[in-house]
Amino acid sequence: NAGVTQTPKFQVLKTGQSMTLQCAQDMNHEYMSWYRQDPGMGLRLIHYSVGAGITDQGEVPNGYNVSRSTTEDFPLRLLSAAPSQTSVYFCASLLRAGLRSAGANVLTFGAGSRLTVL
Amino acid sequence: GENVEQHPSTLSVQEGDSAVIKCTYSDSASNYFPWYKQELGKGPQLIIDIRSNVGEKKDQRIAVTLNKTAKHFSLHITETQPEDSAVYFCAAKEAGGTSYGKLTFGQGTILTVHP
Repeated sequence: NAGVTQTPKFQVLKTGQSMTLQCAQDMNHEYMSWYRQDPGMGLRLIHYSVGAGITDQGEVPNGYNVSRSTTEDFPLRLLSAAPSQTSVYFCASLLRAGLRSAGANVLTFGAGSRLTVL
Repeated sequence: GENVEQHPSTLSVQEGDSAVIKCTYSDSASNYFPWYKQELGKGPQLIIDIRSNVGEKKDQRIAVTLNKTAKHFSLHITETQPEDSAVYFCAAKEAGGTSYGKLTFGQGTILTVHP
């Protein structure tokens, strides 16, 4: 049980380049999400998904696309990278949205992907 | 939407002292308040959480208190140890079926425990 796996751990891009950050979980979690972490701003939600085929925008979705073709994978795409997207990105998942049982709201985070856009 | 303010941004204590981190939230509909610890080079990990129908919760050396009227909650760490050094985040989740796992995080507190 690997939990939430993110790749790559580090990436440097030039402005205008595109790339995909990969996220996979092996816990059969329905809910998956992407956050970005910037100094002094905490963690901000980019996009989330409550199940395969269903995605929605979070607080800071501009410049990012997502898809959820399988329960396990939730890639984050940057179509045309900008220096403002330099950040550390975290993928996080939880078992099943909306449950009230203990642990139902516990997000499991990946180790993060550090992206630098020059 | 929800807004969470966290203070202080940095906190330095001596080993054995207590540490307190405070957060305020704006949406009175929020009903779930977790605290996450992030060690260097790792993702955040839940250390304790509290629901709005509870005023205080303890787990060994850590405790969380919630004041719904004032809309603030706090993390208390007693008998701090060097391994408590990390970044701590508070968060709040809005009630309602459409909020799912959408947490609003505070800005984070860098806690340093000096031996």
